[in-house]
Amino acid sequence: QVHLVQSGAEVKKPGASVKVSCKASGYTFSNSYMHWVRQAPGQGLEWMGLINLSDSSISYAQNLKGRVTMTRDTSTSTVYMELSSLRSEDTAVYYCAREMYDNTWSKAFDMWGQGTMVTVSS
Amino acid sequence: QSALTQPASVSGSPGQSITISCTGTSSDVGSYNFVSWYQHHPGKAPKLMIYEGSKRPSGVSNRFSGSKSGNTASLTISGLQAEDEADYYCCSFVGPSTYVFGTGTKVTVL
Repeated sequence: QVHLVQSGAEVKKPGASVKVSCKASGYTFSNSYMHWVRQAPGQGLEWMGLINLSDSSISYAQNLKGRVTMTRDTSTSTVYMELSSLRSEDTAVYYCAREMYDNTWSKAFDMWGQGTMVTVSS
Repeated sequence: QSALTQPASVSGSPGQSITISCTGTSSDVGSYNFVSWYQHHPGKAPKLMIYEGSKRPSGVSNRFSGSKSGNTASLTISGLQAEDEADYYCCSFVGPSTYVFGTGTKVTVL
């Protein structure tokens, strides 16, 4: 079955960068879209961006442009999300989520990773 | 892009029906039939409950249903059960290749 397994928790200092990985299995990796969503403590879900795994094209949320980079490695079926110039407000659980395909791309997220806690603290 | 507006909390007794609204604008919810709903229990990954406004993924109970009218989408949970107690989020495609989540609703089963 489909699995998305993310890398472990990270603690970073303000100004540093963090790179979170998401390894996929159980489906055709290169024929899908992967999204990243985060949730800060006590806050709601926030869409961060997506990467088209067939051609690496990307779309980022406006408020993160310039700080976020999403990449993929088809040889290991792994997607990466790197966030730079970290600030305390970036403390959150980060999720990767696969876009659902139901005769067409459904623009919904049917499989999620387990989440990665990123803490930004001096 | 501003978050879609949801009520902060909704509650109901077991067996009752509740409805959660998700209000956007003519540029997001009103323009596309791509609203999805997620159930989120603390400490777990969100779960897709409804996609394309009213479709249920395989394995999701038919007690969950979705609809849309104008700029507002809705999720209805009928026959409320204790296990339905969770946070619920709507999400809309807002084009091009951009999405926005709702503010989230905490559902309490009394």
